[in-house]
Amino acid sequence: EAQVTQNPRYLITVTGKKLTVTCSQNMNHEYMSWYRQDPGLGLRQIYYSMNVEVTDKGDVPEGYKVSRKEKRNFPLILESPSPNQTSLYFCASSLTSGISSYNEQFFGPGTRLTVL
Amino acid sequence: AQRVTQPEKLLSVFKGAPVELKCNYSYSGSPELFWYVQYSRQRLQLLLRHISRESIKGFTADLNKGETSFHLKKPFAQEEDSAMYYCALLGTEYGNKLVFGAGTILRVKS
Repeated sequence: EAQVTQNPRYLITVTGKKLTVTCSQNMNHEYMSWYRQDPGLGLRQIYYSMNVEVTDKGDVPEGYKVSRKEKRNFPLILESPSPNQTSLYFCASSLTSGISSYNEQFFGPGTRLTVL
Repeated sequence: AQRVTQPEKLLSVFKGAPVELKCNYSYSGSPELFWYVQYSRQRLQLLLRHISRESIKGFTADLNKGETSFHLKKPFAQEEDSAMYYCALLGTEYGNKLVFGAGTILRVKS
């Protein structure tokens, strides 16, 4: 089944303890992206990647890192999490980075992160 | 700047009533607009896109460039329509960048 998977789905951690949220897609998509979803703010893009070894900042990149060593994986890294990073995180992928209304983004199930 | 505004956080209607979820956008170029839906405990998924001019699950959305709007409509709401709805604009600054509105929760009451 074609899909985007994320792990873990739920995570409670403490301030300063490094963590990684994994994202994987099996559709051979070039483009991958991370969003955070917060009440009243909708989805905001954190980082995106147009292809292997090509990543760039989105709208809210502070406090996050990403890597794209393989096409299928796009992990989100929080080196020193803080309480303001408590949020619901979504990974998404699409076939290419080309501008096209037919280039649909597929979303993962979300990771709910709580930083105490 | 690219911006999407959904003025209603919550819209509550009775089953069988018409539904209109509002979306306004700000964009200097020719916009590509979408509606995404998130049902309870499910992932975000594409509902419809303006370029297709399609009707999905009875929903339609018309792009009005004069009013810079892309409102989502359905003539008769059903309980299974209850979900979070996001309007999104596809920008041209960097690749395939979607800018989302804040979302509207639709509750359909029986």
